[in-house]
Amino acid sequence: ETGVTQSPTHLIKTRGQQVTLRCSSQSGHNTVSWYQQALGQGPQFIFQYYREEENGRGNFPPRFSGLQFPNYSSELNVNALELDDSALYLCASSDSKGQTYEQYFGPGTRLTVT
Amino acid sequence: AQSVSQHNHHVILSEAASLELGCNYSYGGTVNLFWYVQYPGQHLQLLLKYFSGDPLVKGIKGFEAEFIKSKFSFNLRKPSVQWSDTAEYFCAVTAIYNQGGKLIFGQGTELSVKP
Repeated sequence: ETGVTQSPTHLIKTRGQQVTLRCSSQSGHNTVSWYQQALGQGPQFIFQYYREEENGRGNFPPRFSGLQFPNYSSELNVNALELDDSALYLCASSDSKGQTYEQYFGPGTRLTVT
Repeated sequence: AQSVSQHNHHVILSEAASLELGCNYSYGGTVNLFWYVQYPGQHLQLLLKYFSGDPLVKGIKGFEAEFIKSKFSFNLRKPSVQWSDTAEYFCAVTAIYNQGGKLIFGQGTELSVKP
């Protein structure tokens, strides 16, 4: 069984740039959720994708967008990067809409915006 | 709005001491409750979960948690901690009927165990 993987591990971007983060879900899982974890804080829900459609969104602006592909892998795109976007971005997969089942987390992508 | 509150930001214990980390949530409906652990340099891992049934749940590595519905609490316990339990611990809740089934996390409790 392959776990959740994310790429890249680390990324440094300049304010105003755009970034794409990638996630491969665990085998057999059809739901991917993205979270932002700022330093010293708990993860905050960005959005969730279920069978290639957005299935819930947290309190993040539209410049945070995503995609899910037929193989259930997913991308998180952030446009017009701001300094406050510096954080660990976590991807989690589950085998339902995630309402009652545990989510399995990847190692995260550390984004630094300068 | 739903929220999760963890009582302690940083806890320091000696090996063999008992551990209790507090967690309270704010939500009026039916919830699923989780404790996740993040060891240094590693990703979030599930310690234990409560969906329904026996409110005392046992997880990995000797951890357990008790769901007290009347107190909106889900405290994590371990009778005797080890140095290897040094990590950050997150309590999380997901509302069963919430669109998207998102996890709402507390701010985390950093546990340092002295050998």
